[in-house]
Amino acid sequence: NAGVTQTPKFQVLKTGQSMTLQCAQDMNHEYMSWYRQDPGMGLRLIHYSVGAGITDQGEVPNGYNVSRSTTEDFPLRLLSAAPSQTSVYFCASSYVVGDTEAFFGQGTRLTVV
Amino acid sequence: DAKTTQPNSMESNEEEPVHLPCNHSTISGTDYIHWYRQLPSQGPEYVIHGLTSNVNNRMASLAIAEDRKSSTLILHRATLRDAAVYYCILSGYNFNKFYFGSGTKLNVKP
Repeated sequence: NAGVTQTPKFQVLKTGQSMTLQCAQDMNHEYMSWYRQDPGMGLRLIHYSVGAGITDQGEVPNGYNVSRSTTEDFPLRLLSAAPSQTSVYFCASSYVVGDTEAFFGQGTRLTVV
Repeated sequence: DAKTTQPNSMESNEEEPVHLPCNHSTISGTDYIHWYRQLPSQGPEYVIHGLTSNVNNRMASLAIAEDRKSSTLILHRATLRDAAVYYCILSGYNFNKFYFGSGTKLNVKP
């Protein structure tokens, strides 16, 4: 049981490049989400999904796209990277009801130069 | 969406109890109170959650006020490994829009 797996762990991008951050979970969780964490700050919700084919925006969705074609995977796409997107990105998953715990990945540290 | 208020930082001595407070005056009847912690360079880790009654698990206890407008996370004997940022978060009946605040940074002194 691997939990929540994020790849890559580290990435450096040039401004304007695109990339996809991968997130996979093996717990059959309906709910998955993406957060970003800037230095010294709390986590901010980017996008979330309550099941395959269903996604919605969080607090800071601009510049990011998501899709959910399977229960297991929830990739986050940066279409045209900007220095302001330099951050640590965390993926989380859980069952959809609030009476449960969420599991987090170990993060992807992204630097845009 | 209901928000929470926590002190920015707290300090504790090793092997002493720690009480971390959280105010959530706009909590709704179906909101669960969750606590997570984040150790340096790691992803957040679940600690405990509850709805109305006090809760205990192997990591901590959660004391919820009768009016549910505040709660307290209790670490019974702090260790150096408990030094982390602790987040108090409200989740609705359905687990979506799970918002983190700025959390409380706990420093544990040997």
